Amino acid sequence: EIVLTQSPGTLSLSPGETATLSCRASQIVSTRYLAWYQQKPGQAPRLLIYGASSRATGVPDRFSGSGSGTDFTLTISRLEPEDFAVYYCQQYGSSPWTFGQGTKVEIK
Amino acid sequence: EVQLVESGGGLVQPGGSLRLSCVASGFTFSSFWMSWVRQAPGKGLEWVANIKQDGSEKYYVGSVMGRFTISRDNAKNSLHLQMNSLRAEDTAIYYCASPGAEVERRAPFDYWGQGTLVTVSS
Repeated sequence: EIVLTQSPGTLSLSPGETATLSCRASQIVSTRYLAWYQQKPGQAPRLLIYGASSRATGVPDRFSGSGSGTDFTLTISRLEPEDFAVYYCQQYGSSPWTFGQGTKVEIK
Repeated sequence: EVQLVESGGGLVQPGGSLRLSCVASGFTFSSFWMSWVRQAPGKGLEWVANIKQDGSEKYYVGSVMGRFTISRDNAKNSLHLQMNSLRAEDTAIYYCASPGAEVERRAPFDYWGQGTLVTVSS
């Protein structure tokens, strides 16, 4: 099973700043099979990024994904108030699909 | 508009059973692999199981293998999760999830239901 470790656990930032979230895998993950999701309290997750760097439909371009191998990054530029949430990475290339434990982006 | 609506959650005693359902609309249900993903209270996401378009292939996370069974009825656009021998650690919100365009097994989850809460407690 591929273990995904996200860091930091919590990121305290102000609106307008840039958030950099990390996702490290215990084994190589093909870039085709790495996704990022956003989850707000009481809501289902929302797909942001798939294939490591492709934005899902309707996702603002301030969200960008990068990385390869075992290290992946989600960058949120110019944080908007609605971006404060929990973010999860997920690999769906090797069964069982696994998620990271999440990074909470909170308002400083 | 794509909709996934789960039902069937509730309170069940340890060792008991429960059957979850998910009804899909707004897309061609029979064209996609479908999954169940769960989230324990205050915790992260855990993929539970998925099923091929025609039901001929099913995969499970190790912790539920032999206890949970995923199935689908394409004529009714419905997905099911039969959960037996339930344990306290199965307590979670269970989400039905679907890809948006990719028909292969290895696809991200574009669409999610609102979830149904399963509580296993005596």
